[in-house]
Amino acid sequence: DAKTTQPPSMDCAEGRAANLPCNHSTISGNEYVYWYRQIHSQGPQYIIHGLKNNETNEMASLIITEDRKSSTLILPHATLRDTAVYYCIGSDSGGYQKVTFGTGTKLQVIP
Amino acid sequence: NAGVTQTPKFQVLKTGQSMTLQCAQDMNHEYMSWYRQDPGMGLRLIHYSVGAGITDQGEVPNGYNVSRSTTEDFPLRLLSAAPSQTSVYFCASRQRVTGELFFGEGSRLTVL
Repeated sequence: DAKTTQPPSMDCAEGRAANLPCNHSTISGNEYVYWYRQIHSQGPQYIIHGLKNNETNEMASLIITEDRKSSTLILPHATLRDTAVYYCIGSDSGGYQKVTFGTGTKLQVIP
Repeated sequence: NAGVTQTPKFQVLKTGQSMTLQCAQDMNHEYMSWYRQDPGMGLRLIHYSVGAGITDQGEVPNGYNVSRSTTEDFPLRLLSAAPSQTSVYFCASRQRVTGELFFGEGSRLTVL
């Protein structure tokens, strides 16, 4: 599984877009970029994943650079409920590779 | 579907005691794993399994045993509890097609 690097913390004003960066320079060609978030002490929750194309779902957008060495998770209109720790992970999609988490980014949405 | 179910939710042990944390999933996922999370820290992988009869070590396996006799269950055994094992333990299963992880609600363990 790829090693990822994220800033330890970020602030975002409520209603504004939150852009969370992740570096994954060692990601291999068949590894996807996954994003999860953990609200308070609950179990992490899946947000989105992608291989090389940009992806969007009802929760967020994922922008992956052309060289796949970094990506950005975008929460288009952050709310107070988006305050959480966000984890970026590189892993296969087949479900056979072990999945390890880094320390993530603590996002604080400010009223 | 209940998803991933962990029991117990809370447990207090004395040093040296043993216990088993239970994890069950009803989504027919082959991949299951255990993580621990210490206060203010990220999740660390303890053990994982890619199918019945197959287990492997993660980042912090010492002091823990696992077995996988069925697809549904993946219990985590603490052989001789130590205060350093005070933590929140999360079990997760993984969908094969998308690779998405599904987590349980966590088991909070305190070792005195």
